[in-house]
Amino acid sequence: QQQVKQSPQSLIVQKGGISIINCAYENTAFDYFPWYQQFPGKGPALLIAIRPDVSEKKEGRFTISFNKSAKQFSLHIMDSQPGDSATYFCAASIGGGYQKVTFGTGTKLQVIP
Amino acid sequence: DAGVTQSPTHLIKTRGQQVTLRCSPKSGHDTVSWYQQALGQGPQFIFQYYEEEERQRGNFPDRFSGHQFPNYSSELNVNALLLGDSALYLCASSLTGTSYEQYFGPGTRLTVT
Repeated sequence: QQQVKQSPQSLIVQKGGISIINCAYENTAFDYFPWYQQFPGKGPALLIAIRPDVSEKKEGRFTISFNKSAKQFSLHIMDSQPGDSATYFCAASIGGGYQKVTFGTGTKLQVIP
Repeated sequence: DAGVTQSPTHLIKTRGQQVTLRCSPKSGHDTVSWYQQALGQGPQFIFQYYEEEERQRGNFPDRFSGHQFPNYSSELNVNALLLGDSALYLCASSLTGTSYEQYFGPGTRLTVT
């Protein structure tokens, strides 16, 4: 049962543009929503994360927007750069020390010069 | 500070064989989780070890088993390998009770022929 749905599957953005990736979840018990970045041949790396008690979190060029009532969250990459080209995964987990992470299916981002 | 390390990097096995993958967590971490990532998919949770006990398990058959050692390192064992077990196996470490963050290793690429 897929509990985190992610779209789009792939995305091409011009350098300097905004990349937007959307996710939706079903389980209202989720209380931690991380985004991971994965380069080919590497493991996922934590990019940014948010708790459901805030609606937005920004770290540098990366922003998470969170809509608890709609059970949706999104990643915005401002001023996208070719070095941002990677696969991005949204994820969700339930805390309390039990950190099983449920991943979305991934978005392959390509930033073209 | 060494991050999460995994060995071996690549492995080729024949259907029906058994395989053992190894993981050393990030320094200071006490919890190890294992994930299976099929090509083009998001990682799927296999199980998690804490205090040398399996704490959580995903929807994987009993052919998948694990172990955690007193130094927090961990092994993933897969018996009676199937072609469908071909995937990237990721280990992630975290510190229970203080952080929701998981740090992933580079993975072991298992090919079953």
